[in-house]
Amino acid sequence: SYELTQPPSVSVSPGQTASITCSGDKLGDKYASWYQQRPGQSPVLVIYQDTKRPSGIPERFSGSNSGNTATLTISGTQAVDEAEYYCQAWDSSTVIFGGGTKLTVL
Amino acid sequence: QVQLQESGPGLVKPSQTLSLTCTVSGGSISSGDYYWSWIRQPPGKGLEWIGYIYYSGSTYYNPSLKSRVTISVDTSKNQFSLKLSSVTAADTAVYYCARVVGGGLDYWGQGTLVTVSS
Repeated sequence: SYELTQPPSVSVSPGQTASITCSGDKLGDKYASWYQQRPGQSPVLVIYQDTKRPSGIPERFSGSNSGNTATLTISGTQAVDEAEYYCQAWDSSTVIFGGGTKLTVL
Repeated sequence: QVQLQESGPGLVKPSQTLSLTCTVSGGSISSGDYYWSWIRQPPGKGLEWIGYIYYSGSTYYNPSLKSRVTISVDTSKNQFSLKLSSVTAADTAVYYCARVVGGGLDYWGQGTLVTVSS
């Protein structure tokens, strides 16, 4: 079965750039999406179709996807961005989630 | 503004069937542009996709749950539902419903905690 691998945790200083990776076999041939989940809240879509931002998502969130790796980049990271982030892709009409990455802003 | 709301029992006994309903407001479930999905999250763990349905009734399920899952749609009520049979403690989780568009899940319900316990 298809798997997506994320680092368990990433740390970043306020105002710096955070990068969260998501790895999977030939992931670049699929569309990747990213979700932000704050404690006790539902996930929020922040990137879809590799690079697109839904309405209302700040411009500091961006995405890329090539080869075996998709990357979520948060520029000028703010304290409010501290959350769990999940990548997601499709494989044979099924939805696959990565294990999640805890982003700490310190 | 589309809103999704999960409803159903918060406590289910082992070996019984978990049943949840997602009510969609602010948009029609019969729109051909979307799929409608269930996802769950065990306490302290990550997201697990359960399955999704099209308004016509076509379904796709997580292979690991397929033998126990049924997702159905009621377009007259603008609802879709989840049934998970033969539950165990491992099925204890927050269950979310969500709308699928463009490859992403753009609107999510608030989630409902279902505990499997005798």
